Amino acid sequence: GQQLNQSPQSMFIQEGEDVSMNCTSSSIFNTWLWYKQDPGEGPVLLIALYKAGELTSNGRLTAQFGITRKDSFLNISASIPSDVGIYFCAGHGSSNTGKLIFGQGTTLQVKP
Amino acid sequence: EAGVVQSPRYKIIEKKQPVAFWCNPISGHNTLYWYLQNLGQGPELLIRYENEEAVDDSQLPKDRFSAERLKGVDSTLKIQPAELGDSAVYLCASSLLGPSDEQFFGPGTRLTVL
Repeated sequence: GQQLNQSPQSMFIQEGEDVSMNCTSSSIFNTWLWYKQDPGEGPVLLIALYKAGELTSNGRLTAQFGITRKDSFLNISASIPSDVGIYFCAGHGSSNTGKLIFGQGTTLQVKP
Repeated sequence: EAGVVQSPRYKIIEKKQPVAFWCNPISGHNTLYWYLQNLGQGPELLIRYENEEAVDDSQLPKDRFSAERLKGVDSTLKIQPAELGDSAVYLCASSLLGPSDEQFFGPGTRLTVL
């Protein structure tokens, strides 16, 4: 089945630094979504991308839908301690648009 | 407005015992999902309901897992009998219409099988 490869697996940064994480697939995805999951909670949607090349911002977060439709990245600028958590990419593949497929997650830790 | 409600939040059982998880979706949401999340992994879809109909249960291990969504509102996911490998977080989510709509997740039930 379709899979998403997310990198890096974990990051440990200093408060105020910018962060970048990405997600790739060997097959085409029709949508790309970025979620954040805090401990003991379910994932919460941060940004949704629907068209190849689309660049969308949500506050300090920026995400892009790759031109090839096989990748996406998420940037966080000027990180703050509350950015700590696990970030997941997810998407609807072209073969089964009813199923949301998730990456393995990127664990972000921010040192004050 | 209340979010997706799940109970219990934590459950510890011995292997071979049955266990059930309950989910109450956001009011008015037609589509309900059950996901399995193993430690260090992203959620994986187990089953999707549109109203009371299971429209995608291809990933549900039907020998021991069952689910129901009576009256198209609340849903229950059951495992009988539980195995050690079933230890994971079971997430419920709902969306207003179909899977292309934003999915709102509950806090999950953390299952530990001893």
